[in-house]
Amino acid sequence: KAGVTQTPRYLIKTRGQQVTLSCSPISGHRSVSWYQQTPGQGLQFLFEYFSETQRNKGNFPGRFSGRQFSNSRSEMNVSTLELGDSALYLCASSLDGLGTYTIYFGEGSWLTVV
Amino acid sequence: GQQVMQIPQYQHVQEGEDFTTYCNSSTTLSNIQWYKQRPGGHPVFLIQLVKSGEVKKQKRLTFQFGEAKKNSSLHITATQTTDVGTYFCAGPGGTSYGKLTFGQGTILTVHP
Repeated sequence: KAGVTQTPRYLIKTRGQQVTLSCSPISGHRSVSWYQQTPGQGLQFLFEYFSETQRNKGNFPGRFSGRQFSNSRSEMNVSTLELGDSALYLCASSLDGLGTYTIYFGEGSWLTVV
Repeated sequence: GQQVMQIPQYQHVQEGEDFTTYCNSSTTLSNIQWYKQRPGGHPVFLIQLVKSGEVKKQKRLTFQFGEAKKNSSLHITATQTTDVGTYFCAGPGGTSYGKLTFGQGTILTVHP
């Protein structure tokens, strides 16, 4: 069974640009969550999607957005990039997103903003 | 909001020594999950504990969930260099969809 797949794995962007990250969850998983990981703040929840609907959102500015497609694949977008957005962005999938079932993480997308 | 505290932040051990990390939640958890992240890697699921007082073992790793379901621990017996990494505990945020609240993690270094 394939795991959570994230693309691209590594990318460098310039301040002010935007970036789109992609995530394909484990087959059969309908919940996709996104996390930002930085050395200073640890793992922070961005948002969660289930059946193409955003059900939950963390405390991030509106520059961070996402969507989910009918096949459960998800994308997140960060507009007007800032240096502080440099981080590892992790996608996680689970069956229901309720914490009942295990959440599995992808390998992440390493974003560097210069 | 829900907070999950994890101690210690760092632990340096000699290979063969034991290691324990502790996790405390400000709220009662329906379950707790443990993850390991190798340097440069991503969090990898280790185990999920659901029942009050539950103890689970995976080879040299022993996981416990407190009776009040607010604390947990991970104990590694006779550490090996392959145990190096950051160990995170995480609890679901009630009915908060898709959200796990993570502890800050314990960074384990094992000296050969």
